[in-house]
Amino acid sequence: DIQMTQSPSSLSASVGDRVTISCRASQYISNYLNWYQQKPGKAPKLLIHAASNLQSGVPSRFSGSGSGTDFTLTINSLQPEDFATYFCQQSHSLYTFGRGTELQIK
Amino acid sequence: QVQLQESGPGLVKPSETLSLTCTVSGGSINIYCWSWIRQPPGKGLEWIGYVCYSGSSSYNSSLKSRVTISVDTSKNQFSLKLNSVTAADTAVYYCARLTTATAGFDSWGQGTLVTVSS
Repeated sequence: DIQMTQSPSSLSASVGDRVTISCRASQYISNYLNWYQQKPGKAPKLLIHAASNLQSGVPSRFSGSGSGTDFTLTINSLQPEDFATYFCQQSHSLYTFGRGTELQIK
Repeated sequence: QVQLQESGPGLVKPSETLSLTCTVSGGSINIYCWSWIRQPPGKGLEWIGYVCYSGSSSYNSSLKSRVTISVDTSKNQFSLKLNSVTAADTAVYYCARLTTATAGFDSWGQGTLVTVSS
């Protein structure tokens, strides 16, 4: 099975900051990488699919990059509603998720 | 816009079978594939498996021996059965839509907590 490793596991930032979250796959997954945002008590929300494609309705301050085994989610100009947990997920060989990155307010 | 809603018992006894149903509204289940994903309290997400409208299915290898996911196109529903449950199966269970095999899960139910306890 493909393992997904996210870093950091938690991150503190302020409104207006730019943050990056990393995700590494244990083997080559091309661009079959998706990012989700989850708020407490809610279902995850798909933000980015195929590594860099913004899901419809997602603000343009979110962006994704990478291919192969290394991927990044970037959030520019953090807004109060962005404080949440973020998960990466590979869809190259069935489906596995990273353990998540909790983005906290500094 | 498609909506998904999980339903089923919130409490299951150890060694018994967990059964959940996901009702799809606002769209036909006769397109795409439909998945179950779970999240133990305070932990990460685990994909359980999917079923497509055609009836084809695939499961997480770690759960494969205990899981069955089926679809009822006449009711626009799909279902999860997980047998021989233990406390480790306590989790919020989500149903979700998968538009292509390599895409993300783009629509989710709100989730339902299932506790395994005697």
